[in-house]
Amino acid sequence: DTAVSQTPKYLVTQMGNDKSIKCEQNLGHDTMYWYKQDSKKFLKIMFSYNNKELIINETVPNRFSPKSPDKAHLNLHINSLELGDSAVYFCASSQGEGAFFGQGTRLTVV
Amino acid sequence: AQSVTQLGSHVSVSEGALVLLRCNYSSSVPPYLFWYVQYPNQGLQLLLKYTTGATLVKGINGFEAEFKKSETSFHLTKPSAHMSDAAEYFCAVISSGGYQKVTFGTGTKLQVIP
Repeated sequence: DTAVSQTPKYLVTQMGNDKSIKCEQNLGHDTMYWYKQDSKKFLKIMFSYNNKELIINETVPNRFSPKSPDKAHLNLHINSLELGDSAVYFCASSQGEGAFFGQGTRLTVV
Repeated sequence: AQSVTQLGSHVSVSEGALVLLRCNYSSSVPPYLFWYVQYPNQGLQLLLKYTTGATLVKGINGFEAEFKKSETSFHLTKPSAHMSDAAEYFCAVISSGGYQKVTFGTGTKLQVIP
């Protein structure tokens, strides 16, 4: 069983498009995150949700909109994609003692 | 506020040699500390963690780390490097209490030379 799963694994799209990445966790955790990993491998938190409530929004452009329909899901919608959005996006969940990560979604904007 | 500093973005060791990856943290409250490993084109896998109790923690693949509060450090070690250890390693901190924001260091790429 995959603890944190995100889809799709790869996403190639043109500038200006709107796309979504889905994330689901089956660990029963209350907290979920989205992280962005850039080309230099730096991991930066984007959002954190605790029990469906937005807790952290780290100065992410409002083109990025997370949605948490329930505690087990945290989806990321991105409007008007830009070249600079190309990165690997990781979903994670946590119950305090470490975060469990999905396999990542490699987004390439062309 | 919390932060993590990893000294050395690249570390090279010979196969069979000691691996030492350095991590220093800053946290206003007692921290939870973690090491993650990322193999090429893969996600992050938890290697080991310190929350409370014994300050020397053992993880998977023969890695261990020691929490030293006086030095605000959580260095990762392995007595003998294997080729399969080549990967990117991230130190991370969660400040206990409050919202559980995981803050990562900038990563250290470990190269193992045959």
